[in-house]
Amino acid sequence: QIQLVQSGPELKKPGESLKISCKASGYTFTDYAMQWVKQAPGKGLQYMGWINTQTGKPTYADDFKERFVFSLETSASTAYLQINNLKNEDTATYFCARRTLRRVFDYWGQGVMVTVSS
Amino acid sequence: DTVLTQSPALAVSPGERVTISCRASESVSTLMHWYQQKPGQQPTLLIYLASNLESGVPARFSGSGSGTDFTLTIDPVEADDTATYYCQQSWNDWTFGGGTKLELK
Repeated sequence: QIQLVQSGPELKKPGESLKISCKASGYTFTDYAMQWVKQAPGKGLQYMGWINTQTGKPTYADDFKERFVFSLETSASTAYLQINNLKNEDTATYFCARRTLRRVFDYWGQGVMVTVSS
Repeated sequence: DTVLTQSPALAVSPGERVTISCRASESVSTLMHWYQQKPGQQPTLLIYLASNLESGVPARFSGSGSGTDFTLTIDPVEADDTATYYCQQSWNDWTFGGGTKLELK
């Protein structure tokens, strides 16, 4: 069955960096784009951008053009989100999601809770 | 950016019919989708392209609308439907509405 399995929770200090993973299984990884979505505690969903899994080209939403990096390890069917120079406001759960040709997110990872605190 | 506006919360009794609305700041044609998110879980897709039921989703859920005004209907509501419901447009990149928290009386 199709699954997106994300890495575990993270506790970081301001200024540090982190890299979280999203491993896909049950389908051909390069057939679908991968999206990233942020959800701050008690808040709604915020679209971060996506990465073309065929070319590796990332596209970032306006609020995520600095400090955020999407990347791939295609041989491992894995997408990554790296956040540099962490800030308190990066505290959130981060989801990866598969995007279909209909431009909808049909499968989601379980989310990674990131806490940034000194 | 295309802004999506949802009412923040609704409370209904089991067995009733509920409609959740979503208004877009500009026309998105029928490129509107609906997700359900239960506490502590990832979102799940309910409706795509305004009115198409995702495979495996109960037929109690339905969607309608085009242009700027969309609705998600649950009829009848069951206790398990307690969740937050998000609309999402894919006409102009992607944005989510603020979510509607559905509580059961």
